[in-house]
Amino acid sequence: SYVLTQPPSVSVAPGQTARITCGGNNIESKSVHWYQQKPGQAPVLVVYDDSDRPSGIPERFSGSNSGNTATLTIGRVEAGDEADYLCQVWNIITDQYVFGTGTKVTVL
Amino acid sequence: QVTLKESGPALVKPTETLTLTCTVSGFSLSNARMGVSWIRQPPGKALEWLAHIVSNDEKTYSTSLKSRLTISKDTSKSQVVLIMTNMDPVDTATYYCARIYGEYSTVFDYWGLGTLVTVSS
Repeated sequence: SYVLTQPPSVSVAPGQTARITCGGNNIESKSVHWYQQKPGQAPVLVVYDDSDRPSGIPERFSGSNSGNTATLTIGRVEAGDEADYLCQVWNIITDQYVFGTGTKVTVL
Repeated sequence: QVTLKESGPALVKPTETLTLTCTVSGFSLSNARMGVSWIRQPPGKALEWLAHIVSNDEKTYSTSLKSRLTISKDTSKSQVVLIMTNMDPVDTATYYCARIYGEYSTVFDYWGLGTLVTVSS
């Protein structure tokens, strides 16, 4: 089965940049989507198709995908960005939707 | 306004069958580009995709849980139903339904708030 690996945690100071990685075999061949999930809440889509943003999501959120790693970048981090972030792909070979292990972003 | 809302029992006993309902509004399940998935999240753990159904009634299931799952829809009621048999305490989780819109889309653009299901005797 296809596995997406994320670092368990990332810490960042307010105003700095947070980078969250999502590792998978040849992930660049897939469309990667990113979700933000705050405690007790449902996930919210923040980046889709590697680097597109839904309406209402700040430009501070951006994404990239190359080789075996996709990256979600949060610029000028704010306290309100503190949350879990999960990546997701669709594995065409097995017709399965796969989620990453999740990364907790802590704003110092 | 697109909304999805999960409903079902909060508590089930081991070996029992769980039935969850996702009621949607703001879009039609008969729309050719529409699909709805069930996804769960055990406490403190990552999301796990369970099953997906699209407008033409095509269904896909998690390989690891396929034998226990059945997904169906009632377009007239705007509902998607998930049945999971032989429940176990490890199935304790918040269960979400989420939408995929677009013929070739693979992204969940709208989610329900989720419903917590506890499996305990």
